[in-house]
Formats: sequence, structure tokens, C-alpha cells
Amino acid sequence: DAEITQSPRHKITETGRQVTLACHQTWNHNNMFWYRQDLGHGLRLIHYSYGVQDTNKGEVSDGYSVSRSNTEDLPLTLESAASSQTSVYFCASSDSTGTGIGETQYFGPGTRLLVL
Amino acid sequence: AQSVTQLGSHVSVSEGALVLLRCNYSSSVPPYLFWYVQYPNQGLQLLLKYTTGATLVKGINGFEAEFKKSETSFHLTKPSAHMSDAAEYFCAVSDRSTGGFKTIFGAGTRLFVKA
Repeated sequence: DAEITQSPRHKITETGRQVTLACHQTWNHNNMFWYRQDLGHGLRLIHYSYGVQDTNKGEVSDGYSVSRSNTEDLPLTLESAASSQTSVYFCASSDSTGTGIGETQYFGPGTRLLVL
Repeated sequence: AQSVTQLGSHVSVSEGALVLLRCNYSSSVPPYLFWYVQYPNQGLQLLLKYTTGATLVKGINGFEAEFKKSETSFHLTKPSAHMSDAAEYFCAVSDRSTGGFKTIFGAGTRLFVKA
């Protein structure tokens, strides 16, 4: 069965370190997204990609970067981790139906990141 | 700009009682509306969505939602709550004004079900 996986599931790091969170999907979806989930804020979009070599900033992109070298993977990098980036991170993917409207997103299980 | 407001961060119901989770949206163009559910330590999964056509949408696990344009609402209901419905529920909106690939999520409502 197709799926979307994230690794690691839990990560503890120190302020200032570079951290990369992996996201891998076998749906063969064009669109991939990274969100962070914080209490009281729901999900906020960090970065997204419509296809290979395409990346775009979301509403909370400062301090994060992504790259898309193939269809299956969209790794999220925290350039210099800060305590404010302690959160649960979710990767999602969706298929393009042409208009891009009304697409269901499929979510990974999440990565819980603690920055000390 | 799009926005989603979920009324009530926590809702508690007794097993067998009606579940009503409220969602209001703001959109300048016809919206596409979603409800997602998140069980503990899991990612979100789709419950139901409204794109076009019938305004009463049925989803999985006995949930349904009605799109009311005049009220800009998309409330989620289930006639009889089950213990397994305890989870966090997110309302979301997508429309052409943001290119459509992006979806805006509400802050979430945590549903508690009492025995």
C-alpha cells in the first residue's frame, strides 16, 4: 500500500544545530507540504512543493528550508535550531487534479522535535 | 484572505449523544471545505470534504457536514457519539484565491467522549 513516512519520529537537539527531518511518500504525488502543529494554532504551513525542483514558502518559513530532487522526498532542514522551533512537524502530500482545488492531503505520522 | 474559525477548543459529550463541532470560514470565492481527524500520536486523515454539488456531505465513521453559504459555516455532526470518536478535529478551507494547492486549517477542536 502507498504511504507517507517521516523520520525520525522523535528528535532532541540543541540550539544552533542543523537538523533535517525526512519525508518520503510512495503515492507518486506531485504536491508535498510541511506543517508545524502547535497548541492553539492548528497546522501552519512551512514550505510546499508542486513538483521536482519546485519549492515555495509558506506562512512560517523563516529558519526552514526544503529541497525537492525527486518525486518521493521532501526533506525539511532547520538551518540553526531555535527553542521556538520545538513543535510537531507533519509532512503531507496530495495529487494534482489539474486545477489543484479540493485535493485531499495525506499526512505522515509526524516528527516530535525538542530544541534545548 | 482565507480563514477558518473553529468554535470551542474542547467539546465534551456523553457516549450516545449528538456530536456538533462548529466551523466558520472566510473566503472571497467559492470554497472547498474539509474536516480532518487526528487520533493521538497520528497524522491527520480526511473525514469528509465539500467541493461542489450537494451541500450535505457524508464522511467516514457516521460523520456528516453541511455547507451553508449564507452562514459561511461547515459544521460537523454525528448523531450518536462513540468512545472511539475521541480525537482532535480540524476544519480546513481551500480556494482559488491561494492557488488551490494550499489549505488553511483551523486551530482544532478536541472531542472528549464520556462513558
